[in-house]
Amino acid sequence: DGGITQSPKYLFRKEGQNVTLSCEQNLNHDAMYWYRQDPGQGLRLIYYSQIVNDFQKGDIAEGYSVSREKKESFPLTVTSAQKNPTAFYLCASSLGGGGPRAQYFGPGTRLLVL
Amino acid sequence: AQSVTQLDSHVSVSEGTPVLLRCNYSSSYSPSLFWYVQHPNKGLQLLLKYTSAATLVKGINGFEAEFKKSETSFHLTKPSAHMSDAAEYFCVVSEYLMEYGNKLVFGAGTILRVKS
Repeated sequence: DGGITQSPKYLFRKEGQNVTLSCEQNLNHDAMYWYRQDPGQGLRLIYYSQIVNDFQKGDIAEGYSVSREKKESFPLTVTSAQKNPTAFYLCASSLGGGGPRAQYFGPGTRLLVL
Repeated sequence: AQSVTQLDSHVSVSEGTPVLLRCNYSSSYSPSLFWYVQHPNKGLQLLLKYTSAATLVKGINGFEAEFKKSETSFHLTKPSAHMSDAAEYFCVVSEYLMEYGNKLVFGAGTILRVKS
């Protein structure tokens, strides 16, 4: 089955700790995205990558970092600089190239602070 | 910049009655528009998409939406609600920018409640 997987489903972070959220896709999509979802605020874009070895900051990149070493994978690290990390994190992917595209989402990771 | 306004934060219907979720958009050019559905603690699922072809778009699970340029609207409808339709629905506009690539702009969401 083609799709996007995210792991873990739940993640607990201690103060001062960096944690990494995994996102893998087998849709052969060039572009991948990370969003943060908070209640009543919709989705906000953290980082995106249009192609391997390239990524750009979204609207709320502070306190986060990413890498894109493989087409299939786009891990997100929540650093200790992110002071309010509790949220639902969603990864998405889409075809690349010009023009608007639908994005396809993974099941999400819920991050909680201990 | 493009934007989306979902006119109702909550909608409640009885099972078997029609569903109407309202969405207005703002765009400086011909937009691409989407509706996504999210069940609790799940990812977003694409319901349907409009990309300048037919103005009436049919999606999955019996949903459809009509693009009305004169009203800048893209309302989502379903003739008969099912209990499994209870979820949060997002209206989304897509813009392609050279420096950003494909960017989605999300509405704030509408929570649909279906009463038995």
